[in-house]
Amino acid sequence: AQSVSQHNHHVILSEAASLELGCNYSYGGTVNLFWYVQYPGQHLQLLLKYFSGDPLVKGIKGFEAEFIKSKFSFNLRKPSVQWSDTAEYFCAVSLTGGFKTIFGAGTRLFVKA
Amino acid sequence: NAGVTQTPKFQVLKTGQSMTLQCAQDMNHEYMSWYRQDPGMGLRLIHYSVGAGITDQGEVPNGYNVSRSTTEDFPLRLLSAAPSQTSVYFCASSSPLSSSGDTQYFGPGTRLTVL
Repeated sequence: AQSVSQHNHHVILSEAASLELGCNYSYGGTVNLFWYVQYPGQHLQLLLKYFSGDPLVKGIKGFEAEFIKSKFSFNLRKPSVQWSDTAEYFCAVSLTGGFKTIFGAGTRLFVKA
Repeated sequence: NAGVTQTPKFQVLKTGQSMTLQCAQDMNHEYMSWYRQDPGMGLRLIHYSVGAGITDQGEVPNGYNVSRSTTEDFPLRLLSAAPSQTSVYFCASSSPLSSSGDTQYFGPGTRLTVL
C-alpha cells in the first residue's frame, strides 16, 4: 500500500535557524510530490510541487525541496526561518495522472521570535 | 473565482444524527475529494470523484456517503454520526489534465463535533 512518512511530528526552531523536514514515500510508479502548508486558522495551500525535470524545486516564501528518487525522499528545506513560518507542513504524493493523493501525518513547526 | 467553498464552518451533532457537509467549486475541476484531518494522522481520504456521476471510496469511507450530480458540487453525508467522526473535514478539487496537474485546491474546512 502507498504511504507517506514524515519523520518529525513537532519541530521548534529559533528565527534565522535552518530548516529541513524529512519526507519518504512508498510508491512503485512515477510520482508527483507536494508540500502543503497550513498556517494557524487557515486552510491548506500548496507550498511547492515536483512533477518532472530538475529534482530541486523552489516554492513560495524561500522554501525548496529536493527529490531523491533512489531514496524515495522529498525533503523540504529553508535556509533561514521566520516567525511567520510557524505552521503545519504536509508532504503528499500522487501517482502521475492518478486521482488519489496520499498525505503524510504532518509536521508542526514552531518558530520562536 | 471563489475557489472551493464549504458549509457549514462549524457543526455540533448528537450521536445518531445525520447531516450533510456541502462543498462546491467554481474552477470546473474534474476531480473532487473529501478528507478528514485528525491530530497526528494527517489528512485521510474519505471519498473522491473523478467526474459527475462517478465516485469511489478512499482510505476511511465507513459511515460516509457521497454523490456527484454536477461538476460543481460534492456533498458528504454522515448517515448516523458517531463520536469517532469528530474531526475537521476538508473538501478539495483538482484538474489533472490542466497545467496545475494533481495540485489540490482546498476549502476552508468544517469543524465537526459529535457528542
